[in-house]
Amino acid sequence: DVHLVQSGAEVRKPGESLKISCKGSEYSFNTNWIGWVRQMPGKGLEWLGSIYPDDSDTRYSPSFQGQVTISADKSNSTAYLQWSSLKASDTAMYFCARALTTTISPPEYWGQGTLVTVSS
Amino acid sequence: DIQMTQSPSSLSASVGDRVTMTCRASQSINSYLNWYQQKPGKAPKVLIFAASNLQSGVPSRFSGSGSGTDFTLTISSLESEDFATYYCQQSYSLPITFGQGTRVEIK
Repeated sequence: DVHLVQSGAEVRKPGESLKISCKGSEYSFNTNWIGWVRQMPGKGLEWLGSIYPDDSDTRYSPSFQGQVTISADKSNSTAYLQWSSLKASDTAMYFCARALTTTISPPEYWGQGTLVTVSS
Repeated sequence: DIQMTQSPSSLSASVGDRVTMTCRASQSINSYLNWYQQKPGKAPKVLIFAASNLQSGVPSRFSGSGSGTDFTLTISSLESEDFATYYCQQSYSLPITFGQGTRVEIK
């Protein structure tokens, strides 16, 4: 069965850097888009961007371009979401999902979520 | 960007009720529309894909319809486990966008 397993909850201070992960298994990781979604406390879902691991083609939401970096390590079947300088407003739950891109196929598989808390 | 607008933002209903919610896109998205159910602290779960296709394993009381700009999610007979928030999402063009959600609460 397909699995996406995300790294654990993180607490950071404003200005610190952070990299969270999403490891895929039981499917062809390299040839499936993986996307990231933000959910701020009590709010809705927002797409940050998606990556195609095989060639690292990465698409960002204009709202998040320059604010986060999405990458992937094919050798480890893992996608990453990173910040170079966190803000309090980055406090949210972050989900990864397979096939979150412009396709008729649904993003059927999601990670369990990583809670990021940014507080001084 | 394609804006997705859901209505209502919340509704109260009883077990056994028929529930309908709508999602409107700011431009035509053909049938590139997914519906999700989300419970607190959990990842979204796909219910309907391509506007009207029931995702495998999802109960048949859920159904979707529409194309172009107007879409509907219907729950034919609400069960207790259906109290949750429902989101629509377009996958027609980047950036991918979600509706703001419809929260289904117990009456």
